[in-house]
Amino acid sequence: DTGVSQDPRHKITKRGQNVTFRCDPISEHNRLYWYRQTLGQGPEFLTYFQNEAQLEKSRLLSDRFSAERPKGSFSTLEIQRTEQGDSAMYLCASSPGTDYSPLHFGNGTRLTVT
Amino acid sequence: GDSVTQMEGPVTLSEEACLTINCTYTATGYPSLFWYVQYPGEGLQLLLKATKADDKGSNKGFEATYRKETTSFHLEKGSVQVSDSAVYFCALSDLKDDKIIFGKGTRLHILP
Repeated sequence: DTGVSQDPRHKITKRGQNVTFRCDPISEHNRLYWYRQTLGQGPEFLTYFQNEAQLEKSRLLSDRFSAERPKGSFSTLEIQRTEQGDSAMYLCASSPGTDYSPLHFGNGTRLTVT
Repeated sequence: GDSVTQMEGPVTLSEEACLTINCTYTATGYPSLFWYVQYPGEGLQLLLKATKADDKGSNKGFEATYRKETTSFHLEKGSVQVSDSAVYFCALSDLKDDKIIFGKGTRLHILP
């Protein structure tokens, strides 16, 4: 169990550019979640996958955001035409998917949009 | 919708002091309740959980009891240590939604 890993740790981009983040969950965890956290706030739910199926998307996830989990393993989160308001920590978490199983979080990707 | 409200920080205490961080929730169903902790430079990790009313979750000297009548899940520790300095998040999960909703977090500073 190597934990949830996220790449990159930090990303600085100019407004209008596209960015993509990657998350590798704990192996055999079939649920994968994306959250966003801004300074002084708790993590806000964005979306989650059960294996390769995306089961729910938050209203926070505008049409500039897209997430995929091909083959039910790693996941990517892409933000198109980034805006300064997208600056945040993007957290990935995974769980085995049993009832009330806790989430295992990665260390996050910090995005700064200039 | 479901939500979690926790006391604002920062909370600053001396080592060996008693700690209480208040947390209340609003949910339409019967949620599970969690406390997560984020130590400096590390990712969020589960501290303790309780899945039904009157359950008590405990870990590392911390405790929290699921109080359905007051919709609360306050975090307590009898004697804090400098190493407990971190941000603590109260959270709930409603089985029907399959996602965890977090409070805003409470930063705790413990002075030696």
